[in-house]
Amino acid sequence: EPEVTQTPSHQVTQMGQEVILRCVPISNHLYFYWYRQILGQKVEFLVSFYNNEISEKSEIFDDQFSVERPDGSNFTLKIRSTKLEDSAMYFCASSEEEREQFFGPGTRLTVL
Amino acid sequence: GDSVTQMEGPVTLSEEAFLTINCTYTATGYPSLFWYVQYPGEGLQLLLKATKADDKGSNKGFEATYRKETTSFHLEKGSVQVSDSAVYFCALIMDTGRRALTFGSGTRLQVQP
Repeated sequence: EPEVTQTPSHQVTQMGQEVILRCVPISNHLYFYWYRQILGQKVEFLVSFYNNEISEKSEIFDDQFSVERPDGSNFTLKIRSTKLEDSAMYFCASSEEEREQFFGPGTRLTVL
Repeated sequence: GDSVTQMEGPVTLSEEAFLTINCTYTATGYPSLFWYVQYPGEGLQLLLKATKADDKGSNKGFEATYRKETTSFHLEKGSVQVSDSAVYFCALIMDTGRRALTFGSGTRLQVQP
């Protein structure tokens, strides 16, 4: 069964460093998403991406964040200068239509 | 704005017990409703969904009915197993406007043998 994959599973970085989280969505899906979950809190929407551009973003998704689909398979989330409060589980999701989203296993980001 | 409220956990049950996890929502329009499950060390998996009032979603013995009059989407299972131990998230997505999922805070279920 097709699935969304994410790498790495765990990323540890120093405050102020740049990180890139990678996702491979399901191959025939057209809509891509990033969500995050700070430990013990709700899963929160960050950004959605369709047709090679951001279609929607939340208040959390500020100038420190960017997304890219560099080739036909990968979808990346870049955090330019990480802060302690960026420590969270980051989930990538994809969907064929705009409703039923399929999630990857997540990347745990730890900022020291 | 739109929001989802779930009962706090953990919910601890013995095997074969009946499960209910309450979920209510607030939305300005007509959302589609979902239950996602997160097993230990894994990502979010779609468990079931309902797209309009009175629809019943079901999967793996779990059921939830979209109740517009009470703005609820409670998750039920008649007989839980140890393998059902996980965190369950209720979520909604609107028909128009924002296309992102809005999640509840999650409810941890622990099933003991």
